[in-house]
Amino acid sequence: SYELTQPPSVSVSPGQTASITCSGDQLGEKYVSWYQQKPGQSPVVVIYEDNKRPSGIPERFSGSNSGNTATLTISGTQAVDEADYYCQAWDFNTGVFGGGTKLTVL
Amino acid sequence: EMRLVESGGGLVQPGGSLRLSCAASDFSFNIHWMSWVRQVPGKGLEWVANIKKDGSEKNYVDSVKGRFTISRDNAKNSLYLQMNSLRGEDTAVYYCARDKGYHFDSWGQGTLVTVSS
Repeated sequence: SYELTQPPSVSVSPGQTASITCSGDQLGEKYVSWYQQKPGQSPVVVIYEDNKRPSGIPERFSGSNSGNTATLTISGTQAVDEADYYCQAWDFNTGVFGGGTKLTVL
Repeated sequence: EMRLVESGGGLVQPGGSLRLSCAASDFSFNIHWMSWVRQVPGKGLEWVANIKKDGSEKNYVDSVKGRFTISRDNAKNSLYLQMNSLRGEDTAVYYCARDKGYHFDSWGQGTLVTVSS
């Protein structure tokens, strides 16, 4: 079965840039979405179709996808961005999530 | 504003059955694929199943094939997940989510299913 691999944790200082990677075989040939989940809340999509940002999501969130790696980038990271982040793609008709990355802003 | 509200979770013994429901409101339910996604408390997200807008196509993660059945009633704006032969590893919060092309653009609040004797 298809797998997506994320680092378990990423730390960033306020105001700096955070990058969270998601790796999978030929991932660049698939559309990748990114979800933010804060404790006790449902996930929220922050990037879809590799690099599109839904309305209401701050411009500091951006995405890219090429080769075997997709990347979520948060520029000027704020304390409010501290959360778990999950990448997601489709393998044929099956949804696949990465294991999640805990972003710590300190 | 569109809304998804899950219900039907609870405590069930191993081998038992449970039926989850998801009530959709304030959007055209019958033109969207819908999914169930689960999350073991403290762990990551796992896609479980999805269903085409008219119910004619259904897909499942391997671990639930033959045990879970996804269905929908467009007249009632409702999504369902019939879960049979439940195992301890099925314990999770179950979310319904709206499929918007290649991503999930809206999620419910989730309903907790606990499989334990």
